[in-house]
Amino acid sequence: DAKTTQPTSMDCAEGRAANLPCNHSTISGNEYVYWYRQIHSQGPQYIIHGLKNNETNEMASLIITEDRKSSTLILPHATLRDTAVYYCIVRSPGGGTSYGKLTFGQGTILTVHP
Amino acid sequence: DAGVTQSPTHLIKTRGQQVTLRCSPISGHKSVSWYQQVLGQGPQFIFQYYEKEERGRGNFPDRFSARQFPNYSSELNVNALLLGDSALYLCASSLFAGGHEKLFFGSGTQLSVL
Repeated sequence: DAKTTQPTSMDCAEGRAANLPCNHSTISGNEYVYWYRQIHSQGPQYIIHGLKNNETNEMASLIITEDRKSSTLILPHATLRDTAVYYCIVRSPGGGTSYGKLTFGQGTILTVHP
Repeated sequence: DAGVTQSPTHLIKTRGQQVTLRCSPISGHKSVSWYQQVLGQGPQFIFQYYEKEERGRGNFPDRFSARQFPNYSSELNVNALLLGDSALYLCASSLFAGGHEKLFFGSGTQLSVL
C-alpha cells in the first residue's frame, strides 16, 4: 500500500467547512483513497473512498487531484462531534491477501471548536 | 442492527500471563480482523480470518494467535504478556460489496499489563 502524509493536527470552527489534506505521491493505478476517522474511545469508522473522481456521501466529500498524488476530505459543516483523528489510507479495493488489512498512519487530529 | 461487539471492554493482567479477547462480527460478515493500537499511534494489523481460515498476518510475534469459530466470532490470544502489549485491541468485521471492502470496527478491549 502506498504511503500517505497528513498534517498532525488541524482546527476548525463549528459550522465551517473542514478541509483535511492528504499526500499520496506513490499511489499506483489500482489503488483507492479511503478515509476513516476515530472518535475518542471508539473504533475507526469508515467515511468515504474514491479512485479518481470526486465523491460525495452523507458524511463528507472527497476531492482527488487529477494526478492522484493528493486528496482532500471535506466536512462541509463541521460540528463538535466531528472532533476525531482522521486517517487517509491508500490501498487496493480489498480481497486476496489484503482482505481485512488497513495500513494506518498517524492521521490528523481535527479539533472542532465552538 | 448490532455492530461489532468486543469483550471485555477493559482488562488488567500482569507480565507473563495469558489473555483471551473476544469479538462478534456484524451478522452476515464472514471476515474478522484484529488490530493493536498503542496510545498515540494508529491501529496496527495483527490478523485476518475469513471463513475460519487465517488469510493474513501482520508483523507480530508468535505469542499472538487467533481463531474464528463456525458462527464467525473470533478470539485473539496473547501468551506471555509483556508490558509493551498494553494497548487497545480492536476487532473489525468486513463486507466486500460492489468491488470494495468496508471495515466496521468495534470499540475495542483496553488491555493493561502491569
